Amino acid sequence: GESVGLHLPTLSVQEGDNSIINCAYSNSASDYFIWYKQESGKGPQFIIDIRSNMDKRQGQRVTVLLNKTVKHLSLQIAATQPGDSAVYFCAENTGTASKLTFGTGTRLQVTL
Amino acid sequence: DGGITQSPKYLFRKEGQNVTLSCEQNLNHDAMYWYRQDPGQGLRLIYYSQIVNDFQKGDIAEGYSVSREKKESFPLTVTSAQKNPTAFYLCASSPLGGYGYTFGSGTRLTVV
Repeated sequence: GESVGLHLPTLSVQEGDNSIINCAYSNSASDYFIWYKQESGKGPQFIIDIRSNMDKRQGQRVTVLLNKTVKHLSLQIAATQPGDSAVYFCAENTGTASKLTFGTGTRLQVTL
Repeated sequence: DGGITQSPKYLFRKEGQNVTLSCEQNLNHDAMYWYRQDPGQGLRLIYYSQIVNDFQKGDIAEGYSVSREKKESFPLTVTSAQKNPTAFYLCASSPLGGYGYTFGSGTRLTVV
C-alpha cells in the first residue's frame, strides 16, 4: 500500500499492550477535538471525539483525554491489536470558519 | 449507504497538464474540503466550501482551483501552475460547524 508518512513519529507496542498516543494542540480557543485513524493508502477514519467541556471520553477500547491547561490531547487504545497499526491524527476545531486543523500524525506499529 | 466518493484512485499527469479530481458526497453535508497529504507533513488544507457557489482558499491554494456548482460535488483541478503536484489528495465533508468530518478514500496523483 501507499505510505502516508515516511518520517512520522513512531510508537511500537506489543500485541495486547495498551497504547498511548499524544498530541499537543495549538489554540487555547479550540472547542472540539477528534482522533482519526489512517491506514496505508486510505482516507482517515473517525475514531473518537471530545468537546472542550469534557476531560475524558471513552469508546470501545479507546479513551481520549483532554488537558486544556497544557493544551494536550491523548488517545489510549486498550489491548492493542495488529489491526490497530496505522497513522493516528489529532485534529482541533478552532471555531474559525468550521475548519479542522490537523496534527502531523503518529505511526502506531503493533508487534506480535 | 451514505458516503463520500473520490475518483480516480490513481491519476497520472504529464508536465504542463491540468487534471481534475472528483469528489461526490451523498451525506447532505453543507461543507466540503480538499486536503493534500505529503509524507511526514500531515494534512494541509487547499480549499474549502461551506455553501454552493462559494469557496475559500486554504493554506496552500496556489496552483489549484475548485468549483461548487452542486451541494454534492466539489471537484479539484490541479493546474500546470502547481509545481510539485505529486501527493495524496483527500476530500472531506461535514455539516456546518466543522464537526465530524467524513473523508473520501483519496486520490494518488503522480507527475510523469
